[in-house]
Amino acid sequence: GAGVSQSPSNKVTEKGKDVELRCDPISGHTALYWYRQRLGQGLEFLIYFQGNSAPDKSGLPSDRFSAERTGESVSTLTIQRTQQEDSAVYLCASSSHLYTEAFFGQGTRLTVV
Amino acid sequence: KNQVEQSPQSLIILEGKNCTLQCNYTVSPFSNLRWYKQDTGRGPVSLTIMTFSENTKSNGRYTATLDADTKQSSLHITASQLSDSASYICVVSADGNTGGFKTIFGAGTRLFVKA
Repeated sequence: GAGVSQSPSNKVTEKGKDVELRCDPISGHTALYWYRQRLGQGLEFLIYFQGNSAPDKSGLPSDRFSAERTGESVSTLTIQRTQQEDSAVYLCASSSHLYTEAFFGQGTRLTVV
Repeated sequence: KNQVEQSPQSLIILEGKNCTLQCNYTVSPFSNLRWYKQDTGRGPVSLTIMTFSENTKSNGRYTATLDADTKQSSLHITASQLSDSASYICVVSADGNTGGFKTIFGAGTRLFVKA
């Protein structure tokens, strides 16, 4: 079927506004991961879901970041009161299980102005 | 079309043996190439990063090579350990000055090291 889909592909927002990023994983994949990549930087792990549960939220940069997943499917990453430092590409990946290969979406480029 | 292809898809080796993972790419214009190691349920950790002018880079038992002419990279793991069991992801970035910053991810090679 289709790969991991993320939306929007690009988002420009004003500082202080809230944004919501969406990830549609590959159907049937139980594991879902969110990453952040700042320009010229490596991947920064944010959070992962096993089913609808997020066992480890320690990777979230601050309490302005939250994520949820429903129906073992779509996930949303919400950033409240955005800051310029939040500007980055936010990547989502999914895998059939935690022990199997992860497939990445193309990311959402977030620009906070 | 920008693509990164990795091979093999999965690999099983015995502890102590060496192995080599391959990455072929068509990303253009090339900026840099990274190899990541991703442990199960964890975020990927960067192993090496190479730019156009670099042919080889080592990080402990990991050695990456880059041939920018043939657009191929390899990751060689020496004296494998059980803790090397993970997914290894090749990631190629395109020059952000020409049409936007692009990062293309390979599907990864799943390495299993057995005792």
